[in-house]
Amino acid sequence: QKEVEQNSGPLSVPEGAIASLNCTYSDRGSQSFFWYRQYSGKSPELIMFIYSNGDKEDGRFTAQLNKASQYVSLLIRDSQPSDSATYLCAVNMGYNFNKFYFGSGTKLNVKP
Amino acid sequence: NAGVTQTPKFQVLKTGQSMTLQCAQDMNHNSMYWYRQDPGMGLRLIYYSASEGTTDKGEVPNGYNVSRLNKREFSLRLESAAPSQTSVYFCASSELRGTEAFFGQGTRLTVV
Repeated sequence: QKEVEQNSGPLSVPEGAIASLNCTYSDRGSQSFFWYRQYSGKSPELIMFIYSNGDKEDGRFTAQLNKASQYVSLLIRDSQPSDSATYLCAVNMGYNFNKFYFGSGTKLNVKP
Repeated sequence: NAGVTQTPKFQVLKTGQSMTLQCAQDMNHNSMYWYRQDPGMGLRLIYYSASEGTTDKGEVPNGYNVSRLNKREFSLRLESAAPSQTSVYFCASSELRGTEAFFGQGTRLTVV
């Protein structure tokens, strides 16, 4: 059974703080990992992807990957109320083609 | 540039009725996917089509059928709708390998 696990939250942080979102996955052979943001009633939109172990930064967002521990995380610095949304972790568990599995999502609330 | 387009956006069915959800993408992607999203469950893969002419079951295929009509279009059919199929359905597309999935705006389906 291929699984992607996330803490459902809600995770509440004050404005300006760092929000830390975590995800674990079951398939050790997975090669690509994605974070999507989903506002209520909307479709998921890509925030970041990461393929290699270590950190990848894009503006206020940092994705971290540890393949040995089968763990991927997303840090949001200087959190803003507009960051309040559900964050979905996605793992590509396909081999010859893409096949994306999603976690249940973590709901983030950023309080002004 | 429309990306991934789903029709309809909303639908109410009676138990036992049938319907087809339509999806089309204009990004020349090889792979297309159907997901359902239920509260607290994240996105679950129903069926996918790695390339034109192929389809395969995902995590929750029971009660559904799909057709990859051509490279652009991938439809999802409910032959005899059940209340358990009340959900939000998302179509997505991607390249065959690597990169991310792009999502349509979703179809909110209620079966009464």
